[in-house]
Amino acid sequence: NAGVMQNPRHLVRRRGQEARLRCSPMKGHSHVYWYRQLPEEGLKFMVYLQKENIIDESGMPKERFSAEFPKEGPSILRIQQVVRGDSAAYFCASSPQGDTEAFFGQGTRLTVV
Amino acid sequence: DQQVKQNSPSLSVQEGRISILNCDYTNSMFDYFLWYKKYPAEGPTFLISISSIKDKNEDGRFTVFLNKSAKHLSLHIVPSQPGDSAVYFCAARPSGTYKYIFGTGTRLKVLA
Repeated sequence: NAGVMQNPRHLVRRRGQEARLRCSPMKGHSHVYWYRQLPEEGLKFMVYLQKENIIDESGMPKERFSAEFPKEGPSILRIQQVVRGDSAAYFCASSPQGDTEAFFGQGTRLTVV
Repeated sequence: DQQVKQNSPSLSVQEGRISILNCDYTNSMFDYFLWYKKYPAEGPTFLISISSIKDKNEDGRFTVFLNKSAKHLSLHIVPSQPGDSAVYFCAARPSGTYKYIFGTGTRLKVLA
């Protein structure tokens, strides 16, 4: 049973470009979470999704950031017009239900140059 | 406003001894607490959890203690092993939500 798969592992974007981060949850998991970790900080919650629904996006910046978890395929975190401050490690996690422990992927390290 | 605090950024312990990692929180509405371990360039790995209705949970070498009146959580690792060297994050879940609030982590180094 494969774990949470994130790709790419590393992503370099120039300022103003778009970044797309993908997350395939563990088999049987229908709940997906995205977290961001800035250097020397803890993980910050961004968004919680179930299939085709955004349940809690209270941690998402109001502009340029969006997330989806379609009926088929991976969850996508999309960052438009990236800026240097978006450079961080983005972690996806999944769980079989919302009230159980979440299992994390290895993260995507985004560098904006 | 840091609701979950890990005030010790680092801790060194001799192999075979006990490691105690501490975590304080400010929100009395947290109902579930977890500890994750993280190696460099990897995602966090779930270690152990505890519900707010309990004060202790044990799993092998790992024990988590919850003191609700003090709003304090601790993770005990005994005996400590060199492979335990990692960054440990505590996390708390606000009641009625499905998100975790993470602390800033404590880097544990177990010396052989």
